[in-house]
Amino acid sequence: AQKITQTQPGMFVQEKEAVTLDCTYDTSDPSYGLFWYKQPSSGEMIFLIYQGSYDQQNATEGRYSLNFQKARKSANLVISASQLGDSAMYFCAMRETLSGGYQKVTFGTGTKLQVIP
Amino acid sequence: DAGVIQSPRHEVTEMGQEVTLRCKPISGHDYLFWYRQTMMRGLELLIYFNNNVPIDDSGMPEDRFSAKMPNASFSTLKIQPSEPRDSAVYFCASRSRTGGTEAFFGQGTRLTVV
Repeated sequence: AQKITQTQPGMFVQEKEAVTLDCTYDTSDPSYGLFWYKQPSSGEMIFLIYQGSYDQQNATEGRYSLNFQKARKSANLVISASQLGDSAMYFCAMRETLSGGYQKVTFGTGTKLQVIP
Repeated sequence: DAGVIQSPRHEVTEMGQEVTLRCKPISGHDYLFWYRQTMMRGLELLIYFNNNVPIDDSGMPEDRFSAKMPNASFSTLKIQPSEPRDSAVYFCASRSRTGGTEAFFGQGTRLTVV
């Protein structure tokens, strides 16, 4: 079963508009972490934002915010005021602690975002 | 620190040949992950190590794949024999256990098996 699900293979957004990229997850670990990464066409993986399962507030980093709904097991990324440079693949990831205390990081299949001028 | 370093950046090989991908994690990081990225499957976790010990290799697709971490500063992913369907970008990432520290990725190795 998928641990991280990103249901939007591709998204379009008009420049300067906000966009929400969906991510749902599944884990039995009470102390997990959620991450979003950006992968531009050049291929590198760029860390954007992190949310811990016990964090009371939604994480924010500049134009990025994470809409964390714990009961729904969703961790959607919101990008405000989209820019052309935001066009990229976006990956949701989860860190969970498994038996033995080891921490595993798994990724979703990604969403390709295209910002339209 | 120079970040996670992978080599080579690009590899083209013929089917049946052995391929070895290399990774140098960030100093002090106790976790090392190998991922494979394809259009169809996104980023798949192949194997990960903690303090040089393989913890979970359930993502390794076949016995043709093997990975080692002989010391804290070096890991290899080997495919023997390689097949065209192994063509993908292979990423190595490392992280520290502490808190919410993210995984830091190398630049990836683009493998093409012809």
